[in-house]
Amino acid sequence: DSGVTQTPKHLITATGQRVTLRCSPRSGDLSVYWYQQSLDQGLQFLIQYYNGEERAKGNILERFSAQQFPDLHSELNLSSLELGDSALYFCASSVGTGAPNTEAFFGQGTRLTVV
Amino acid sequence: AQSVTQLDSHVSVSEGTPVLLRCNYSSSYSPSLFWYVQHPNKGLQLLLKYTSAATLVKGINGFEAEFKKSETSFHLTKPSAHMSDAAEYFCVVSDRKAAGNKLTFGGGTRVLVKP
Repeated sequence: DSGVTQTPKHLITATGQRVTLRCSPRSGDLSVYWYQQSLDQGLQFLIQYYNGEERAKGNILERFSAQQFPDLHSELNLSSLELGDSALYFCASSVGTGAPNTEAFFGQGTRLTVV
Repeated sequence: AQSVTQLDSHVSVSEGTPVLLRCNYSSSYSPSLFWYVQHPNKGLQLLLKYTSAATLVKGINGFEAEFKKSETSFHLTKPSAHMSDAAEYFCVVSDRKAAGNKLTFGGGTRVLVKP
């Protein structure tokens, strides 16, 4: 158990809808990262938050947004969903600002299926 | 910019025989390198990491990897495969100069272990 909790584990929704994925980082970790794993794109970095503020941005679509709350949990909001958004979404956390040699701990992911 | 190439998408080995998973990276700066493993329906677990200390890195479950700067490689090996090693393995690079801790994942190598 990595200590990173993601909910829900599975989500099935229709095209055009909006969903929210939730992540609780390990106790003491200030950085939260979101990754998308799909069959065609592999594992891609979406976004990082550190202590409530956006730290780094990757290949995140404009239809997607994220935030980190004062209690350090994070939410990833996906809107106007398309079939191609079906993927496994991982949250990870790390200590501090996430210096590049810092280990990231991954949750078990939320599997999103858009029908 | 950083990138990772895992040279084999699938590797099949017999139980008790050595495992070699090949990884080449590209990074503008001195990188940090990781190997993660993903078991079916599980999150990602760190096997080992290289952060400019010893070039031969030992990880969990008998895995080790050697950093070779001249070859820009970070191959993962295990002397004797076990059935429980069947999983997908990801080579990951983190650019020390990049803001935050953006991890760039390779495409993954799926390992099949035959009895």
